Amino acid sequence: GQNIDQPTEMTATEGAIVQINCTYQTSGFNGLFWYQQHAGEAPTFLSYNVLDGLEEKGRFSSFLSRSKGYSYLLLKELQMKDSASYLCAVWDYKLSFGAGTTVTVRA
Amino acid sequence: DSGVTQTPKHLITATGQRVTLRCSPRSGDLSVYWYQQSLDQGLQFLIQYYNGEERAKGNILERFSAQQFPDLHSELNLSSLELGDSALYFCASSERTPTDTQYFGPGTRLTVL
Repeated sequence: GQNIDQPTEMTATEGAIVQINCTYQTSGFNGLFWYQQHAGEAPTFLSYNVLDGLEEKGRFSSFLSRSKGYSYLLLKELQMKDSASYLCAVWDYKLSFGAGTTVTVRA
Repeated sequence: DSGVTQTPKHLITATGQRVTLRCSPRSGDLSVYWYQQSLDQGLQFLIQYYNGEERAKGNILERFSAQQFPDLHSELNLSSLELGDSALYFCASSERTPTDTQYFGPGTRLTVL
């Protein structure tokens, strides 16, 4: 089966950095995705990691350690519009999502 | 705008009924995925089609079925509806494989009364 864990909620201040951790135990692994979802809207793709290491895309970075079953999403220079749910998802033969981490950015 | 369209946006129906949700993928995308998102269960993968053929199956109930047509649009059929089927149903598309970026449609909100 699949078990994907991420914190339920995180709060940070505008301009700060927040790191959202994701640990997973899945029967297979073909990559890990991070999605952003604003309330009532569709998820939007942020990043994809299949090899160990750090992938950087502007203010967002994602890290993967396959041996540890661990990933994190780093959000830098937080803006109010970054307040959203962040979903970690693992692809084995299907895409399995974590429950999501709700990030609240305060002024 | 992701380029993925879903109709209808909202659907209200009664228990026991049957509904059909429709999805048109982005131009050029061959794979279509269906997801269900409810408050208590989060985002759940239902099924994937690739170029008209079923490719992967997730937590899809036997009361639910889907298909992808030659023009690549897809339909998700939900029958014998129960209160617990009330959820947001998303369709997503990608070029080919699930490791290609998936683009999500705006979703269909289904309410079963």
